[in-house]
Amino acid sequence: DVKVTQSSRYLVKRTGEKVFLECVQDMDHENMFWYRQDPGLGLRLIYFSYDVKMKEKGDIPEGYSVSREKKERFSLILESASTNQTSMYLCASASGGVGSEAFFGQGTRLTVV
Amino acid sequence: QQQVKQSPQSLIVQKGGISIINCAYENTAFDYFPWYQQFPGKGPALLIAIRPDVSEKKEGRFTISFNKSAKQFSLHIMDSQPGDSATYFCAASKRQGGKLIFGQGTELSVKP
Repeated sequence: DVKVTQSSRYLVKRTGEKVFLECVQDMDHENMFWYRQDPGLGLRLIYFSYDVKMKEKGDIPEGYSVSREKKERFSLILESASTNQTSMYLCASASGGVGSEAFFGQGTRLTVV
Repeated sequence: QQQVKQSPQSLIVQKGGISIINCAYENTAFDYFPWYQQFPGKGPALLIAIRPDVSEKKEGRFTISFNKSAKQFSLHIMDSQPGDSATYFCAASKRQGGKLIFGQGTELSVKP
């Protein structure tokens, strides 16, 4: 079974804190993604990576950064958390090419107070 | 700018009925159209997907209908069951395994 594991299910952080969300996949997938999920907005892409040390901005990258030092691990960083970053964060991984599909982690519910 | 628009936002169907969720896209470069199912407390999971070279794909009770000229696709759930109650997302991508653009989601409730 493909497994995408996010380090925390629930997090509560204070405004201005630096926040790290970790994601690990065990299927040797090249591609990894970070989305945030908000009611009525669906899933919106924050950042993605098609290779180690490679990153590309998604649709809503402002206030976020990412790190991919190893193939299996993709970290999302909130440099200075704000209340409007309270959301559900979902990590996904996929191999490239025909026949591949994206597998999602269980999500991290982040609350910034 | 919402590249993939999904409707309705919520849907209530009686057990045994047909659930229909619609999506429309703008970018003609999209080449892969999956549907994801999400249960509370879980991440989304792939339900069924289609490429634009076919007009319909069926897997069990789930069918995708695809209209390339109208840039629309829809999910039909036949004989809907209470266990189908979940949030459904359509998505589009320029290639499989690439970044997905999601619709807004539909919360389906199937009443016994």
